[in-house]
Amino acid sequence: AQRVTQPEKLLSVFKGAPVELKCNYSYSGSPELFWYVQYSRQRLQLLLRHISRESIKGFTADLNKGETSFHLKKPFAQEEDSAMYYCALSGSGANSKLTFGKGITLSVRP
Amino acid sequence: KAGVTQTPRYLIKTRGQQVTLSCSPISGHRSVSWYQQTPGQGLQFLFEYFSETQRNKGNFPGRFSGRQFSNSRSEMNVSTLELGDSALYLCASATGGEYNEQFFGPGTRLTVL
Repeated sequence: AQRVTQPEKLLSVFKGAPVELKCNYSYSGSPELFWYVQYSRQRLQLLLRHISRESIKGFTADLNKGETSFHLKKPFAQEEDSAMYYCALSGSGANSKLTFGKGITLSVRP
Repeated sequence: KAGVTQTPRYLIKTRGQQVTLSCSPISGHRSVSWYQQTPGQGLQFLFEYFSETQRNKGNFPGRFSGRQFSNSRSEMNVSTLELGDSALYLCASATGGEYNEQFFGPGTRLTVL
């Protein structure tokens, strides 16, 4: 079974502070991991995905297969980073559906 | 490219009624997935259609059904509505290949009274 766990519901930091949003997953196979973001009054959109190994808006995420984690990190948070963040997992073939975590609200204070 | 569109954006129904939601994917996308978003359960996968065939299905009762047309547009139907069906229903389209990015629509907010 596919499962994604985001253990925290809310993270509040000051501008310029480092951010780490945690994500753990359960999947028997080789999953693809994603982070989606939803800014206020906007639709859900892809932030980054493991397979592309990109840094988007200063965010990075490393897949740790040993710890089955895909934490999202940013060294210096900005106010515009305030949003809802969802970690998601996709399997391959018949398991290609996206399974989402419950999401975490990131609030960056000035 | 135009994004994913969903109609209607808002719906109010009463218990026992049925409802049909519509989703138009990005041009060229052959996969359409549906999700239910609620404050308590978060984002839950309903089903995915690819080339007019249901390819994946989540753990929802049979009251939830869908279909996809030859132009990749998709509809989702919920029969015998219950209060607990009140939610934001999101549609996402993708090319349909493996591990492909899904593009989300704005959602349809369904309220069941």
